[in-house]
Amino acid sequence: GAVVSQHPSRVICKSGTSVKIECRSLDFQATTMFWYRQFPKQSLMLMATSNEGSKATYEQGVEKDKFLINHASLTLSTLTVTSAHPEDSSFYICSATRQGADTGELFFGEGSRLTVL
Amino acid sequence: QKEVEQNSGPLSVPEGAIASLNCTYSDRGSQSFFWYRQYSGKSPELIMFIYSNGDKEDGRFTAQLNKASQYVSLLIRDSQPSDSATYLCAVQPSGGYQKVTFGIGTKLQVIP
Repeated sequence: GAVVSQHPSRVICKSGTSVKIECRSLDFQATTMFWYRQFPKQSLMLMATSNEGSKATYEQGVEKDKFLINHASLTLSTLTVTSAHPEDSSFYICSATRQGADTGELFFGEGSRLTVL
Repeated sequence: QKEVEQNSGPLSVPEGAIASLNCTYSDRGSQSFFWYRQYSGKSPELIMFIYSNGDKEDGRFTAQLNKASQYVSLLIRDSQPSDSATYLCAVQPSGGYQKVTFGIGTKLQVIP
């Protein structure tokens, strides 16, 4: 099956610092990668859609200058949380769809739990 | 606003029983429907997907879709304690296969 690797799995940072999370598709080329955020006992909320070589499309209410997304290749997308604050503490999950796939199946990374002190 | 609704639970069933998880969606034009399982602190993993009205079976899991009623369900037969998790219903909108909307998830507890 398709494997998506996300790193780091856990990160603790001080308020005001920036944190970068990487999402890699290990054995397939990902046409599109998605970044989700999940707060405790809530559903996954789509933050942005990332296509290789183009600017990410952000969902309403998500600050593009705060959550920087770079999708430099068909196997790597990064999310940078800039000037993180405690309210940004959450579980961030990336997912990818496989290039050429007929289905909309999403392959999820392991998730990154961010804690901002 | 496009919505996917699930009862958050918890749904408690005894080991060996059938667990029935339900989901309704508001976008009548939705094309594809997915059930994901999410263990606490982990990412979701795909259990099943279904596109056509009717039932689709895979092992102990059966997905049921009724587009007229905008209803999709997941049945788990012979429930095991290891099935205890949150089950997320995801709906793919019409007009494309990329963007999906997730329900809040139903927490299932299988009691030994």
